[in-house]
Amino acid sequence: DTEVTQTPKHLVMGMTNKKSLKCEQHMGHRAMYWYKQKAKKPPELMFVYSYEKLSINESVPSRFSPECPNSSLLNLHLHALQPEDSALYLCASSQDNSLAGDRNEQFFGPGTRLTVL
Amino acid sequence: GQNIDQPTEMTATEGAIVQINCTYQTSGFNGLFWYQQHAGEAPTFLSYNVLDGLEEKGRFSSFLSRSKGYSYLLLKELQMKDSASYLCAVRAWDNYGQNFVFGPGTRLSVLP
Repeated sequence: DTEVTQTPKHLVMGMTNKKSLKCEQHMGHRAMYWYKQKAKKPPELMFVYSYEKLSINESVPSRFSPECPNSSLLNLHLHALQPEDSALYLCASSQDNSLAGDRNEQFFGPGTRLTVL
Repeated sequence: GQNIDQPTEMTATEGAIVQINCTYQTSGFNGLFWYQQHAGEAPTFLSYNVLDGLEEKGRFSSFLSRSKGYSYLLLKELQMKDSASYLCAVRAWDNYGQNFVFGPGTRLSVLP
């Protein structure tokens, strides 16, 4: 299985809602990532989990809360979002994120298209 | 921080060769990746360079010069399906681990 899956594919939420995005991989990868991508812009790294520990938080507002329940799952909890948070949220995984020189390319999921009203 | 630059758009003809350049400035460099992203889809991995030189993979080749902070992606025998955005991404060590930054992307249009 060389796939990263994400649910839901589309999500529309109000500014007072609480929702969660889910990501799953069964490739035995130990690094998982959340990215945000606005239209016609490159993906922007939000969070990195390495061996189920949060290793990088790119100064993301606290209304985004990541969680890594186990090595195969990655969640992104959303609360009190703003309309400008509307974007494609991409999850990715790689074999490792702690070794120098290894290729460790990232495999991306199809994304969740989020609209905040 | 990292600074990555790519041309915004390029146009080429089916069957031709196109070179997409990427320049970067970073400390703690630990690899450069090229990804392809079709509109509305996730990025897919194309190539990886960590040492200077050329890596060839079918119709796609990628070159890296670490001293110049420069890479290019070479696409040969262009096909219509190659119309996509091409993203250069730099991996680098920082105080927290390995960071990963995408360049702005180059939108390639392949014309018949």
